[in-house]
Amino acid sequence: QVQLQESGPGLVKPSETLSLACTVSGGSVISDTFCWNWIRQPPGKRLEWIGYIHHSGSTNYNPSLKSRVTISVDTSKNQFSLKLTSVTAADTAVYFCARGYYDGSGHPPGEWGQGTLVTVSS
Amino acid sequence: EIVMTQSPATLSVSPGERATLSCRASQSVSRNLAWYHQKPGQAPRLLIYGASTRAAAVPDRFSGSGSGTEFTLTISSLQSEDFAVYYCQQYSNWPPYTFGQGTNLEI
Repeated sequence: QVQLQESGPGLVKPSETLSLACTVSGGSVISDTFCWNWIRQPPGKRLEWIGYIHHSGSTNYNPSLKSRVTISVDTSKNQFSLKLTSVTAADTAVYFCARGYYDGSGHPPGEWGQGTLVTVSS
Repeated sequence: EIVMTQSPATLSVSPGERATLSCRASQSVSRNLAWYHQKPGQAPRLLIYGASTRAAAVPDRFSGSGSGTEFTLTISSLQSEDFAVYYCQQYSNWPPYTFGQGTNLEI
């Protein structure tokens, strides 16, 4: 059974870049069937989908974040990563990585990591 | 962007009783609607996709219905492990996927 685990700094300063990694075990990021998502949840607020990547390099991002987001995949480490630039306090959230089906149409992410809290503060 | 609205915000139900949760989309999402539940400190768990198809290992006391803009999640006989926050998500018109604000199902 696939498992996902987020890792990265829990504290980021305003205007800097947030960087997180998601390590996949029990499955491969080199899968034609699946894509790899990032989703976040600000304290007390609803979930917000950030984007996904397929190992082919195909990406899809939330338009509200697109100018600041990059999702990439590292097949040698069986990981995928999130970079979010120019962060502010509004980017404070629990960040989840998740796996979803990939066939060009939409699919709800089915397997999620436990999440990691990132706080933006000086 | 499609806005998802859930009701009620909080639902108080006793164990063994039935719970009915609602989700409304700001425009039609056909049947491209999923339900999750989330317990404190945990990741969301996918319960229902395609508006009515149970995900793997989800008990049959969970059922989903609806299409277009109106959807319902019914839990037929509440167990203690079912008390959580429930979210709906549309994946019809994307990007982005969007989620509702959640219903807190409490004892």
